[in-house]
Amino acid sequence: EAGVAQSPRYKIIEKRQSVAFWCNPISGHATLYWYQQILGQGPKLLIQFQNNGVVDDSQLPKDRFSAERLKGVDSTLKIQPAKLEDSAVYLCASSLDGWAGLDYNEQFFGPGTRLTVL
Amino acid sequence: QKEVEQNSGPLSVPEGAIASLNCTYSDRGSQSFFWYRQYSGKSPELIMFIYSNGDKEDGRFTAQLNKASQYVSLLIRDSQPSDSATYLCAVKGSYNTDKLIFGTGTRLQVFP
Repeated sequence: EAGVAQSPRYKIIEKRQSVAFWCNPISGHATLYWYQQILGQGPKLLIQFQNNGVVDDSQLPKDRFSAERLKGVDSTLKIQPAKLEDSAVYLCASSLDGWAGLDYNEQFFGPGTRLTVL
Repeated sequence: QKEVEQNSGPLSVPEGAIASLNCTYSDRGSQSFFWYRQYSGKSPELIMFIYSNGDKEDGRFTAQLNKASQYVSLLIRDSQPSDSATYLCAVKGSYNTDKLIFGTGTRLQVFP
């Protein structure tokens, strides 16, 4: 079974430029997550989609970040304009379904995109 | 924002020893608790999850949960150099969400 795919793997941009990341989840996974992981910290959820609807975007800086999941499969995350503090690894994850009560649908992570903002 | 706290380490243990990793959380409503392993430059991978008080064992790994103390731990028996990684504690909050809140992780070093 193919895993979560992300591209690009690395990106270097200057502040105030824009950048976009792409994610292709595991086939059949309804839920997709975008996390930001700053060096030395744990992943922080930016946005969660179930199919093509947004479940949680409470920690997405909406003045500069946007995300979409067209047709409930692939997703893109965009930053415009980028700031120095956006330097981080952006992780995409997917799971079979978003909510399983006490049980858990494992989130499978992609390899991430390492963004450096100069 | 509810918090999940871990000692950043590094925790250094000799090969064959037991490594003990600890995590505390602030939200008493938290339902499920997870341990992820993250090798340097790689993405997190799930090791174990637990939602009942007590111990849960899987091979060399044991997760321990004490909801009254808001404390969860991971024990790694017979530690191997290949266990050297950052271990992330994550907490699932209320019943109707799969949102995970991660701690900062504890870096474990197992030396031969």
